[in-house]
Amino acid sequence: GENVEQHPSTLSVQEGDSAVIKCTYSDSASNYFPWYKQELGKRPQLIIDIRSNVGEKKDQRIAVTLNKTAKHFSLHITETQPEDSAVYFCAAGNQGGKLIFGQGTELSVKP
Amino acid sequence: NAGVTQTPKFQVLKTGQSMTLQCAQDMNHNSMYWYRQDPGMGLRLIYYSASEGTTDKGEVPNGYNVSRLNKREFSLRLESAAPSQTSVYFCASRSDKNIQYFGAGTRLSVL
Repeated sequence: GENVEQHPSTLSVQEGDSAVIKCTYSDSASNYFPWYKQELGKRPQLIIDIRSNVGEKKDQRIAVTLNKTAKHFSLHITETQPEDSAVYFCAAGNQGGKLIFGQGTELSVKP
Repeated sequence: NAGVTQTPKFQVLKTGQSMTLQCAQDMNHNSMYWYRQDPGMGLRLIYYSASEGTTDKGEVPNGYNVSRLNKREFSLRLESAAPSQTSVYFCASRSDKNIQYFGAGTRLSVL
């Protein structure tokens, strides 16, 4: 069945360093790849997304890259800050609207 | 404009009891979703509704039923709760740009 694998499950960085989270997906029909940030006790919120017709998208300190041939995509956070600490989820979706989520990465940014 | 509203926020049930989780959105979205979130397992799709009048099973539908009451409301029912259904439940609706917006969640404990 459809599957999204996300690594690492936990990531600890020093403030100011970069963080990279990677995901692979199995469904070739996937064409939409969002990233959600979930703070403790809160709802998941979209931080960036990429569609299959582009290879990279950037929004200030966050960027996402997509390699459709290899079926993987990554989230890059530069100049990390303590408020970036949260759980991050990748997901893969298609025109039908269903999203398959990765297992999540708990990012801890130490001041 | 409240977005996606879920009730209740917290619930404790005894094994075998039934309950309905309510979800409503005011963004005029066609598609709505129910997920459960368990530690280390990301968000798993229980049921979804692509449009008013239709519902379909997701990854983990067993033990649940849904009703798409109208375009705004999508409810999730547990007929006979089991401890394995202890989880955090999120409702979401999807925009025409494929972005899913989540409710604040319902934290359910089944004893």
